[in-house]
Amino acid sequence: GQQVMQIPQYQHVQEGEDFTTYCNSSTTLSNIQWYKQRPGGHPVFLIQLVKSGEVKKQKRLTFQFGEAKKNSSLHITATQTTDVGTYFCAGSAYNAGNMLTFGGGTRLMVKP
Amino acid sequence: NAGVTQTPKFQVLKTGQSMTLQCAQDMNHEYMSWYRQDPGMGLRLIHYSVGAGITDQGEVPNGYNVSRSTTEDFPLRLLSAAPSQTSVYFCASSYIGASYEQYFGPGTRLTVT
Repeated sequence: GQQVMQIPQYQHVQEGEDFTTYCNSSTTLSNIQWYKQRPGGHPVFLIQLVKSGEVKKQKRLTFQFGEAKKNSSLHITATQTTDVGTYFCAGSAYNAGNMLTFGGGTRLMVKP
Repeated sequence: NAGVTQTPKFQVLKTGQSMTLQCAQDMNHEYMSWYRQDPGMGLRLIHYSVGAGITDQGEVPNGYNVSRSTTEDFPLRLLSAAPSQTSVYFCASSYIGASYEQYFGPGTRLTVT
């Protein structure tokens, strides 16, 4: 079945440093979604990418979708303590409807 | 709107006991799903439903049953709890279509001893 791998599993950064998490799918995706989960909380939708090579920005967050639609990345510029949490990518295969396959997540810890 | 609600928030079961995790949404979403979250493994899909009366299996369905008698409710039943089912369970809902974001409930933390 479809597999979505995410690296790194953990990342410690000093506040103000940049952070990137990478997501790779074993199959071509129709779209990819990114979610953030704060400690003790539930996943919250951040963004969706649909087009090959698409790049979207949300303030300090930049999301990219690979040309082959099999990989994606999330980059945070100048991290803040409010960025702490686990970031998940979730891919949707063609003809899979709403079914999402989640990556294992990257847990971001920020030292003030 | 309350969004997606789940009860209970915490539950401790003994091996072999059964129970039902409740999930309800008030957004008139057709699609509802159950995930389990284990450390380092992300969220894994247990069962899902695309509308009342229609359910299907996800990635890890064994040991769980679901039903969807109304649009709003999607309960998850554990028939005979096992320690391997210790996990955090999330219910999610969305409109039909891959382009729609999923809304998650607050989760149920289940421990099976």
